[in-house]
Amino acid sequence: EAGVVQSPRYKIIEKKQPVAFWCNPISGHNTLYWYLQNLGQGPELLIRYENEEAVDDSQLPKDRFSAERLKGVDSTLKIQPAELGDSAVYLCASSRTREKTQYFGPGTRLLVL
Amino acid sequence: GEDVEQSLFLSVREGDSSVINCTYTDSSSTYLYWYKQEPGAGLQLLTYIFSNMDMKQDQRLTVLLNKKDKHLSLRIADTQTGDSAIYFCAASQAGTALIFGKGTTLSVSS
Repeated sequence: EAGVVQSPRYKIIEKKQPVAFWCNPISGHNTLYWYLQNLGQGPELLIRYENEEAVDDSQLPKDRFSAERLKGVDSTLKIQPAELGDSAVYLCASSRTREKTQYFGPGTRLLVL
Repeated sequence: GEDVEQSLFLSVREGDSSVINCTYTDSSSTYLYWYKQEPGAGLQLLTYIFSNMDMKQDQRLTVLLNKKDKHLSLRIADTQTGDSAIYFCAASQAGTALIFGKGTTLSVSS
């Protein structure tokens, strides 16, 4: 089966510009996660979806970050406006509902200048 | 909340065994994982262990869990240069977010 797909793989923008990342989970996986990985750190959860419902968004900086999963399949994460400190890798993962194994996509590497 | 700690670096020679250690704080974590990340890539699940197990072996990988001390280790037998990567320990309850350590960089020299 195809893995988690993310695009773009790399993005370079200037500060204050908007940016969006897209994720398509593994077919049949109802749970979707967005993680943020700063340089030299482990990933940290931004938001978790069960189908189209955001069930854990407590770590999402809602002043500038937003996410959606309108049809319960693919998802978009947006930053507006981007700041220098947003430079990081944004990882998407998916799993079957309440299953123990999460599968990760290759990530989107964001550089904010 | 959960906190996961790992040593940051490990250097071994090709053919030796590697042991990467991890500690966690939340005894209610039911699953413990090891992920591998190569440069520029996402995270690859290597193996996981359920909290009621002591050991799990999968080919060259052996996971040991000491639940009393909240200590997890990953042993890689016959380490190869292709094993050079960052290894992340993570903890979770099923269906919830993974809590990761900062990762251990494994360097394998020939």
